[in-house]
Amino acid sequence: GAVVSQHPSWVICKSGTSVKIECRSLDFQATTMFWYRQFPKQSLMLMATSNEGSKATYEQGVEKDKFLINHASLTLSTLTVTSAHPEDSSFYICSASGEHTGELFFGEGSRLTVL
Amino acid sequence: GEDVEQSLFLSVREGDSSVINCTYTDSSSTYLYWYKQEPGAGLQLLTYIFSNMDMKQDQRLTVLLNKKDKHLSLRIADTQTGDSAIYFCADSLNRDDKIIFGKGTRLHILP
Repeated sequence: GAVVSQHPSWVICKSGTSVKIECRSLDFQATTMFWYRQFPKQSLMLMATSNEGSKATYEQGVEKDKFLINHASLTLSTLTVTSAHPEDSSFYICSASGEHTGELFFGEGSRLTVL
Repeated sequence: GEDVEQSLFLSVREGDSSVINCTYTDSSSTYLYWYKQEPGAGLQLLTYIFSNMDMKQDQRLTVLLNKKDKHLSLRIADTQTGDSAIYFCADSLNRDDKIIFGKGTRLHILP
């Protein structure tokens, strides 16, 4: 089946630095990718919808300048957490639509810890 | 706004059936999904159902949809220890539209 890969799986960084997380669709082209954030024991929160070749659509309350999303190709979307702070520590998950309705493939997630 | 609600915990004895319930608010939802998240892992799509269907069965999984009441359920027959996970109910308007998730139901299997 379709595979979505995220990298890195784990990242620890110092407060004030920026971290980039990659999301790749390995065997299909994804015109739309989604970025989610998950806090412990809470639901997934959609952060933004990433469309290839255009600006991402951010959900209400998500800071565009804080969470930079780039979808430069049909197989790669990146999320950059700029000037990270401890409250940004979370599990970030991306997903991409496959060719068939209802098949939304998720990456393995990236756990960010900001010290 | 759009909302998906589900109970947070469910305990079931091994071998029994598990039924996880979900309600959603957006009557325009076209696709309804069940996802499984095992500890430390990403989400796995278990199954989905179109809004014009009442039921979908896939091996041990049965999805029931009551569109009038906006109620969705997932039944897992012969629950096994490997079914222990968090199950997320979700809905969307269209194929490429954003997916709204519930908070997830943590399924605990009793020996």
